[in-house]
Amino acid sequence: EPEVTQTPSHQVTQMGQEVILRCVPISNHLYFYWYRQILGQKVEFLVSFYNNEISEKSEIFDDQFSVERPDGSNFTLKIRSTKLEDSAMYFCASSERQANTGELFFGEGSRLTVL
Amino acid sequence: DAKTTQPPSMDCAEGRAANLPCNHSTISGNEYVYWYRQIHSQGPQYIIHGLKNNETNEMASLIITEDRKSSTLILPHATLRDTAVYYCIVRPYNNAGNMLTFGGGTRLMVKP
Repeated sequence: EPEVTQTPSHQVTQMGQEVILRCVPISNHLYFYWYRQILGQKVEFLVSFYNNEISEKSEIFDDQFSVERPDGSNFTLKIRSTKLEDSAMYFCASSERQANTGELFFGEGSRLTVL
Repeated sequence: DAKTTQPPSMDCAEGRAANLPCNHSTISGNEYVYWYRQIHSQGPQYIIHGLKNNETNEMASLIITEDRKSSTLILPHATLRDTAVYYCIVRPYNNAGNMLTFGGGTRLMVKP
């Protein structure tokens, strides 16, 4: 069964460092998403991406965050200068159609720990 | 978005049906009801969705009341592996936005 894969599974970084989280969506999917979940809290939407541009973003997704689909297969989330409060599990998701009409397939997540 | 209300936790005996309720009294006519679950700290997993008719798939059944103000997710024969947080989400069936808004969900504990 096709699946969304994410790397790394766990990354530890120092505050102020740049981090790139990588995702390989399901191959025929057209819509891509990043969500995050701070330990013990709700799953929060960050950004959605379609046709090589951001289609929607939350207020969490500020100028420190960026997304890219550099090579037609990977979908990356970059945090330019990490803060302690960026520590969370980050989930990538993809869908064949928009979330309203189809289901999202989530990866297993990348745990980011900022020290 | 229409908000949903779910009990924070429920227990179910292994092998029995798990019935997870969700209230969405402000749901609009163009909004679908989605159910996802999250096992431990894994990524959320889609279960089922529906508009007004009852739906069934290999994982679960979704019963939506006639007035659409509430729904019930039914896991017919719960197993220990069904222990998870279950999220009920309502979203419009249009292009107004494509994100899912997760609430607190119901933590289902399946016990032997």
